[in-house]
Amino acid sequence: EIVLTQSPATLSLSPGERATLSCRASQSVSTYLAWYQQSPGQAPRLLIYDASNRATGIPARFSGSGSGTDFTLTISSLEPEDFAVYYCHQRSNWPPSLTFGGGTKVEIK
Amino acid sequence: QVQLVESGGGVVQPEKSLRLSCAASGFTFSSYAVHWVRQAPGKGLEWVAVISYDGNDKYYADSVKGRFTISRDNSKYTLYLEVNSLRSEDTAVYYCARALLGEVRGYMDVWGKGTAVSVSS
Repeated sequence: EIVLTQSPATLSLSPGERATLSCRASQSVSTYLAWYQQSPGQAPRLLIYDASNRATGIPARFSGSGSGTDFTLTISSLEPEDFAVYYCHQRSNWPPSLTFGGGTKVEIK
Repeated sequence: QVQLVESGGGVVQPEKSLRLSCAASGFTFSSYAVHWVRQAPGKGLEWVAVISYDGNDKYYADSVKGRFTISRDNSKYTLYLEVNSLRSEDTAVYYCARALLGEVRGYMDVWGKGTAVSVSS
């Protein structure tokens, strides 16, 4: 099974600052990686798929990059609604399984 | 609008069974694979199972294989998850999620709000 490791576990930033989140895969997933945002008490929301493609309706301040084993989600300037937990997700090792990273919480400093 | 609504959760004793449902609306349900994903209290996301658009292909996480069964009724625009032999570690919010581009290995582009299952004696 491919393991996704996200870092840092928590990121403390102020509104307007740039956020850089990392996701590392235990083996190559090519560009078969997505990012989701989950606000408290809410369902996850797809932000980025295939490493760098923004999902429908996602603001341009969200961008994704990377390939192989190292991926980055960047939020160029944090808005109040961006403080949430972010998960990466791979679909490379299929079948048998899809896996998620453990999450990075972006909190207000 | 495109929507998924889960139901059927509740408090259940260990080793008992439950059937979760997910009602779809606002899109052509029969054209999309659909996933179940769960989240234990205070924990991350765990993929559970996926079913193809026509119900012919089904895949499960190892942690639920043999105990959970995914199915669908396209005429009713409804997805199901039969959960048997429940364990305390199955306690979670269960989400259904549509697969992007309809593929069984697709990312999840539309999510329901979830239904909570608590396994307790």
